[in-house]
Amino acid sequence: AQKITQTQPGMFVQEKEAVTLDCTYDTSDPSYGLFWYKQPSSGEMIFLIYQGSYDQQNATEGRYSLNFQKARKSANLVISASQLGDSAMYFCAIIDRGSTLGRLYFGRGTQLTVWP
Amino acid sequence: DAGVIQSPRHEVTEMGQEVTLRCKPISGHNSLFWYRQTMMRGLELLIYFNNNVPIDDSGMPEDRFSAKMPNASFSTLKIQPSEPRDSAVYFCASSQGQVDPSTDTQYFGPGTRLTVL
Repeated sequence: AQKITQTQPGMFVQEKEAVTLDCTYDTSDPSYGLFWYKQPSSGEMIFLIYQGSYDQQNATEGRYSLNFQKARKSANLVISASQLGDSAMYFCAIIDRGSTLGRLYFGRGTQLTVWP
Repeated sequence: DAGVIQSPRHEVTEMGQEVTLRCKPISGHNSLFWYRQTMMRGLELLIYFNNNVPIDDSGMPEDRFSAKMPNASFSTLKIQPSEPRDSAVYFCASSQGQVDPSTDTQYFGPGTRLTVL
């Protein structure tokens, strides 16, 4: 079974607007970590944000925040005040305690395009 | 601080040739991962090491692929003989190797774009 599902192959947003990228996950382990990575057209994979399953508050890193809804098993990435440089592929990933020694499971990604 | 370093960044070779990809993890990181990314299959974990020991190589496609980690600061992924279907971007990533893996962040290198003609 897929551990991570990203249902939006592509998203479009106008510069300066906020955008939400969806991610749902599947795990029966009470202890897990959720990650978002950005992959611009240059190809590198950039770590953006982390949310632990026991964290009481939603994670935030600058313009990135994670809308963590544990009961719904969703971990959506919110990008506020979009910039042209945010255009990239975004991947959601999970590690749980069943992932021996830190194996990450990735979704298929969402291609975000920011237009002026 | 230096991140994960990979070399070469681009490799073009002919079918049948041996290819060696190299990776230097972040200093102090105990876990190292090799991934392959293609349009068709997305990101696939090939193998990962903890404390230089291969833990899981179930993602290695076939015997043509091999990986080594002779010490904490160096790993190689070798393909011999290479085939056109091996064309992909190969990423190396490292993490601290936390006791609780759910807190372990992986940091990726810039990748090696391999083209096999």
